Amino acid sequence: SQTIHQWPATLVQPVGSPLSLECTVEGTSNPNLYWYRQAAGRGLQLLFYSVGIGQISSEVPQNLSASRPQDRQFILSSKKLLLSDSGFYLCAWARGANYGYTFGSGTRLTVV
Amino acid sequence: KNEVEQSPQNLTAQEGEFITINCSYSVGISALHWLQQHPGGGIVSLFMLSSGKKKHGRLIATINIQEKHSSLHITASHPRDSAVYICAVRSGNEKLTFGTGTRLTIIP
Repeated sequence: SQTIHQWPATLVQPVGSPLSLECTVEGTSNPNLYWYRQAAGRGLQLLFYSVGIGQISSEVPQNLSASRPQDRQFILSSKKLLLSDSGFYLCAWARGANYGYTFGSGTRLTVV
Repeated sequence: KNEVEQSPQNLTAQEGEFITINCSYSVGISALHWLQQHPGGGIVSLFMLSSGKKKHGRLIATINIQEKHSSLHITASHPRDSAVYICAVRSGNEKLTFGTGTRLTIIP
């Protein structure tokens, strides 16, 4: 069966510090991978998606970046965090555009 | 106006009641998803549908493509159904557009 792992679960980081959130998927190959953010009191927003190794599409310009160094690994990064980067970050995977999603357990990031 | 609107925003009901959550959207879609988010934040995909009706246990999801409307129904509601229910639509590419969710509280 397929599983998705996301870590850490919670993170408190000072403004200006770097960020690295990791997501890995097991039990499938060549998944579509997604990073979403949920700001307080707002709906989920797609940040990045990837349909293959090294292929990253950005939906919202901001000071975050994503990388896919391996088929089942998706990393969300920032060189310098802003207060506005606080939120709940979710990784997800799907077999393709017309399939259901499986979400990771999320990372709650607080930038102080 | 958001592309995906959910109603109500908050819903409190007694255990056993029949629950309906509505989702309206303003764009052409290839699929609609219903998701459940528990207090800890984790999200579970409940349904993906592009036409008609789907049922899983006490949950039923319907969609009317012509009216751009979907409903999620819960029969014989239980306190463990308390969660935020989120509607999301796909418009032909990789992007899902999400509603802001309906917070459901079932009182024993």
